[in-house]
Amino acid sequence: GAGVSQSPRYKVTKRGQDVALRCDPISGHVSLYWYRQALGQGPEFLTYFNYEAQQDKSGLPNDRFSAERPEGSISTLTIQRTEQRDSAMYRCASSLGAGGYEQYFGPGTRLTVT
Amino acid sequence: DQQVKQNSPSLSVQEGRISILNCDYTNSMFDYFLWYKKYPAEGPTFLISISSIKDKNEDGRFTVFLNKSAKHLSLHIVPSQPGDSAVYFCAATLFGNEKLTFGTGTRLTIIP
Repeated sequence: GAGVSQSPRYKVTKRGQDVALRCDPISGHVSLYWYRQALGQGPEFLTYFNYEAQQDKSGLPNDRFSAERPEGSISTLTIQRTEQRDSAMYRCASSLGAGGYEQYFGPGTRLTVT
Repeated sequence: DQQVKQNSPSLSVQEGRISILNCDYTNSMFDYFLWYKKYPAEGPTFLISISSIKDKNEDGRFTVFLNKSAKHLSLHIVPSQPGDSAVYFCAATLFGNEKLTFGTGTRLTIIP
């Protein structure tokens, strides 16, 4: 079946603009996660959802970052008033749920803020 | 504060030989560990995991060893194949917790 999909795959935006990154998880997956990956680093946790409920947002860097998953399926990560330091690969993953289930990652959205 | 460390950024191994990738962690609360493999332009894919109640888990050519007292785990690939060339990430978590903490990755190159 289809894996996790993310759109857009590449996004270039000017400093100060808002961006919305979309994640479409594997059908039936309860949990959805957002990570950020800088060049040469591993993915860094941002936030996750079980169904539509945001369970942990401790990794969001500041209040310019927000995420939602209103119907428990597709999720959107929004970054307001983007800054150059927000440039990174943003990865989404989904899983069947808690308790050791494998997280399946999408291909990521490469965000560049100029 | 890097709680999961992969101190070797890169590793080259001859085809057919054993590849050993290492990972250290500092948080003694971690009790579940995973290895992910990543090809260029793709997301990481799950490879193998181990719970802290075990010291070894094997899946085909892949074996993960866990030394809790040393807070160290390793991934052994034997025999190594050209398709194993990728970046390998070690990750750790508390079982039942959704948040994975990743290392910085090791780029493995298998030499034909």
